[in-house]
Amino acid sequence: DTEVTQTPKHLVMGMTNKKSLKCEQHMGHRAMYWYKQKAKKPPELMFVYSYEKLSINESVPSRFSPECPNSSLLNLHLHALQPEDSALYLCASSQVDIISYNEQFFGPGTRLTVL
Amino acid sequence: GQQLNQSPQSMFIQEGEDVSMNCTSSSIFNTWLWYKQEPGEGPVLLIALYKAGELTSNGRLTAQFGITRKDSFLNISASIPSDVGIYFCAGQLRGSRLTFGEGTQLTVNP
Repeated sequence: DTEVTQTPKHLVMGMTNKKSLKCEQHMGHRAMYWYKQKAKKPPELMFVYSYEKLSINESVPSRFSPECPNSSLLNLHLHALQPEDSALYLCASSQVDIISYNEQFFGPGTRLTVL
Repeated sequence: GQQLNQSPQSMFIQEGEDVSMNCTSSSIFNTWLWYKQEPGEGPVLLIALYKAGELTSNGRLTAQFGITRKDSFLNISASIPSDVGIYFCAGQLRGSRLTFGEGTQLTVNP
């Protein structure tokens, strides 16, 4: 299995809602990533988990709360978002302990719209 | 921080033509990656390069890791309509985050 899956595909939420994005991989990767991507722009790194521990937080506002329940799953909890948070949210995974750490495999993304 | 200049920003070509795009950096990288992203989808890894001077092919795609470690190019031969998408280069020093280029939007006219 060489796939990263993400649910839901699309999400529309109000500014007072609480929702969660989910990501799953079964490639045995021990690093997982959340990225935010605006239209026609490159992905922007938000968080990195390595061996289920948060290793990088790119100064992301606290209304985004990541969680890594186990080595295959990654969640992103959303609360009190702003319209400018509307974007494509991408999950990625990679190995960490050999040179191919650098090969990040992306999921299809969740298209988030905040009203 | 590191910056990647990717060019061209966009290309409009006829089916069957060859395509070339490149990325240059102000500093060196240990790894160069090339991704393709189609509308509504996540980036798909096309080619990974790990050694300066390395030339790697994947079907009609060929990419090279520049000898100075500050640049990389991607060529697509005999383009077809399904090559349409945004192509991103990404560079990385070992252990650090990926640095992405701004992308090359490719349009192929049948």
